[in-house]
Amino acid sequence: ETGVTQSPTHLIKTRGQQVTLRCSSQSGHNTVSWYQQALGQGPQFIFQYYREEENGRGNFPPRFSGLQFPNYSSELNVNALELDDSALYLCASSYDRGGFGQFFGPGTRLTVL
Amino acid sequence: DQQVKQNSPSLSVQEGRISILNCDYTNSMFDYFLWYKKYPAEGPTFLISISSIKDKNEDGRFTVFLNKSAKHLSLHIVPSQPGDSAVYFCAASLNRDDKIIFGKGTRLHILP
Repeated sequence: ETGVTQSPTHLIKTRGQQVTLRCSSQSGHNTVSWYQQALGQGPQFIFQYYREEENGRGNFPPRFSGLQFPNYSSELNVNALELDDSALYLCASSYDRGGFGQFFGPGTRLTVL
Repeated sequence: DQQVKQNSPSLSVQEGRISILNCDYTNSMFDYFLWYKKYPAEGPTFLISISSIKDKNEDGRFTVFLNKSAKHLSLHIVPSQPGDSAVYFCAASLNRDDKIIFGKGTRLHILP
């Protein structure tokens, strides 16, 4: 059983650019959630996908979008990057909907200059 | 609007003593509460949870206490060990199918 992996580990972008972050869930996990953790803050829920459909969204603008694929991989896309988007982005996978039983990946550190 | 509050950014405890991490919440509709532990360069890992119908849940050295009337929960670690040095997040959820809302975290330092 492999854990949750994320790529890349670190990323530097400039304001206005677009970025795609990737996550590979644990095999058999139907749900993936994405979180943004700004410096000194706790993880903040962005959205969740269950069996390739969005299953809940936090207070983030539409320029944050996602995809979940049948092979347990998923993407977080952020358009028109802003300086405040600099954060650690975490994905977490679980078998059921919701946040219970979720396993987190190590995160992608995004810096927007 | 912080629905889950951890008012102590950091806490230092002597090895072998009890560590008590506190958490307050504002939404009385929360039904489940969780604690996560995070080491640097790793994602948070689940520690222990408690549902609102209980006031205590124990798992080895870790015990969580819930006081619904005060909207307060605490995590007790006894005895504290060096490997317990980490950031601890308190989190809450309306139900098992809903999103999890995290506090800002408390950094625990276990002193030798």
